Amino acid sequence: DIVMTQSPLSLSVTPGEPASISCRSSQSLLYYSGNYYLDWYLHKPGQSPQLLIYWGSKRASGVPDRFSGSGSGTDFTLRISRVEAEDVGVYYCMQALQVPGTFGPGTKLEIK
Amino acid sequence: EVQLVESGGGLVQPGGSLRLSCEGSGFIFTDYSMYWLRQAPGKGLECVSAISATRTYYADSVKGRFTVSRDNSKNTLYLQMDSLTDEDMAVYYCARGDTAGHYYGLDVWGHGTTVTVSS
Repeated sequence: DIVMTQSPLSLSVTPGEPASISCRSSQSLLYYSGNYYLDWYLHKPGQSPQLLIYWGSKRASGVPDRFSGSGSGTDFTLRISRVEAEDVGVYYCMQALQVPGTFGPGTKLEIK
Repeated sequence: EVQLVESGGGLVQPGGSLRLSCEGSGFIFTDYSMYWLRQAPGKGLECVSAISATRTYYADSVKGRFTVSRDNSKNTLYLQMDSLTDEDMAVYYCARGDTAGHYYGLDVWGHGTTVTVSS
């Protein structure tokens, strides 16, 4: 089974400042298509989780461009260029290479 | 509007059974793989099960106890949960997965249904 880890597990950011979350998988997430099967989700309080990034770097529909994903192999990063108050919640990476997928432990982002 | 609506959650005794449903609308249900995920109190997200047109998948934590199925004529996904323990207590979400073998993330989620396991 693919094990996912994230760091940090919590983050406190001043509005307007950048934020970065790292995600590591226990094996490469490269699919034969050439895409990395790594997603990022945001779970806001009281809401259902929402997809932010798929294939490691593709923004989902409607996701603001302040969110970006990068990485390859086993190491991936989610960046928020300028954190806004509405970005609070728990961020999860998820590998989708082995179905049904496994999540990282989550990174809780709060606003200073 | 693309939408998923779960139902069937509730209170069940340890060792009991429950069947969750997830009805999809606004998209061609048959064309998509579907997932069940959960979040236990104070814990993170967990993929529980998935179903494509031809295959089913389970997390080790539920293998042999949970059964995923779908009725495409009703645009509905199911999760039959047997031998429930307090570790299965969670909010259960359904989500839409890949289409025609192309994966673009779990892009649509339901609102969730709560399963409580208690005597």
